[in-house]
Amino acid sequence: SQTIHQWPATLVQPVGSPLSLECTVEGTSNPNLYWYRQAAGRGLQLLFYSVGIGQISSEVPQNLSASRPQDRQFILSSKKLLLSDSGFYLCAWSPGRNYGYTFGSGTRLTVV
Amino acid sequence: DAKTTQPNSMESNEEEPVHLPCNHSTISGTDYIHWYRQLPSQGPEYVIHGLTSNVNNRMASLAIAEDRKSSTLILHRATLRDAAVYYCIREETSGSRLTFGEGTQLTVNP
Repeated sequence: SQTIHQWPATLVQPVGSPLSLECTVEGTSNPNLYWYRQAAGRGLQLLFYSVGIGQISSEVPQNLSASRPQDRQFILSSKKLLLSDSGFYLCAWSPGRNYGYTFGSGTRLTVV
Repeated sequence: DAKTTQPNSMESNEEEPVHLPCNHSTISGTDYIHWYRQLPSQGPEYVIHGLTSNVNNRMASLAIAEDRKSSTLILHRATLRDAAVYYCIREETSGSRLTFGEGTQLTVNP
């Protein structure tokens, strides 16, 4: 069966520090991968998605970047965090269109 | 732009059916309708999705209007564990992504 792993669960980082969040999927190949962010009390905002290795699409301009160095690995990064980067970060995967998405357990990031 | 419209909140009583509406008046012929739900501090959970026909699974039923401009998620017997934010989402033909709106906060009363 397929599983998605996302870590860490919580993270407190100072303003200006770098960020690296990792997401891996097991039990499938060539998944579509997604990074979402959810601010407190708000809906989910799609940040990046990838339909293959090295293919990254950005939905909104921001202080973040994403990379997909391996088929089942998706990384969210920042060189310098801002206070506004605080939120609940969720990774998700899907086999493709017309399939449900499976979300990871999320990383709660607090920038102080 | 989520392109779907849902009520901000709804209430139901335990063990009663719940009908959660969603409007998607600009939907195109090949856009799928997805429903997810999210509990506090957890990632969204897939509930159901469909294209034209009504769909059933162990969690819920999805009734899609004949003109496809609206749909209804049906929970046949609400339990306290069904209290969550429910998101109705269009999966557009042109993209490989889901755009979430604000969803409906469902409260289930004992």
